[in-house]
Amino acid sequence: GENVEQHPSTLSVQEGDSAVIKCTYSDSASNYFPWYKQELGKRPQLIIDIRSNVGEKKDQRIAVTLNKTAKHFSLHITETQPEDSAVYFCAAGFGANNLFFGTGTRLTVIP
Amino acid sequence: GAVVSQHPSWVICKSGTSVKIECRSLDFQATTMFWYRQFPKQSLMLMATSNEGSKATYEQGVEKDKFLINHASLTLSTLTVTSAHPEDSSFYICSARDVNSYNEQFFGPGTRLTVL
Repeated sequence: GENVEQHPSTLSVQEGDSAVIKCTYSDSASNYFPWYKQELGKRPQLIIDIRSNVGEKKDQRIAVTLNKTAKHFSLHITETQPEDSAVYFCAAGFGANNLFFGTGTRLTVIP
Repeated sequence: GAVVSQHPSWVICKSGTSVKIECRSLDFQATTMFWYRQFPKQSLMLMATSNEGSKATYEQGVEKDKFLINHASLTLSTLTVTSAHPEDSSFYICSARDVNSYNEQFFGPGTRLTVL
């Protein structure tokens, strides 16, 4: 089955700086890669996703890149704000099947 | 749109009792729902995939007789934790996939189960 690894497990950045979270996956058949943000005690919220036919996708301050050859994808948050502080999960899946989640990254944005 | 609800949001029960958790898609039809378990400060662990009208598919290591899943309609899936024990205490989250949305899963708010 799919194995998703995520790094780093914790990340602290100064407000205004950029944050990068990286994930690798093992199953080359995976073609859907979402990123979720989970605040303490709340549900995971999809913030951005990318499919295997695209190498990069951007939505305002958030961008995701995908390298299918190397089987890794990354989340980039620019101009970080305190409200970006949360746990971020990457995931990988094939088609409409279940998703396999990374271990999460706790991002802290220091004002 | 794409709202998923869970009930109850939290429950405390005694060892040996059974607890039922409901997951509902409120404004869309979900042929597939997923049940996850999340321990404090850890990731989401997929327990099972629930397909409407058929038996659930359980992940390796998850006891199907312990965690009963029923997906009787396109908007409702239930997870019953049978004969609960303290080690079953956890945060259980469901997600639902919109039939009109190829891959995206929408998560419920979760249910915190505490077994005394």
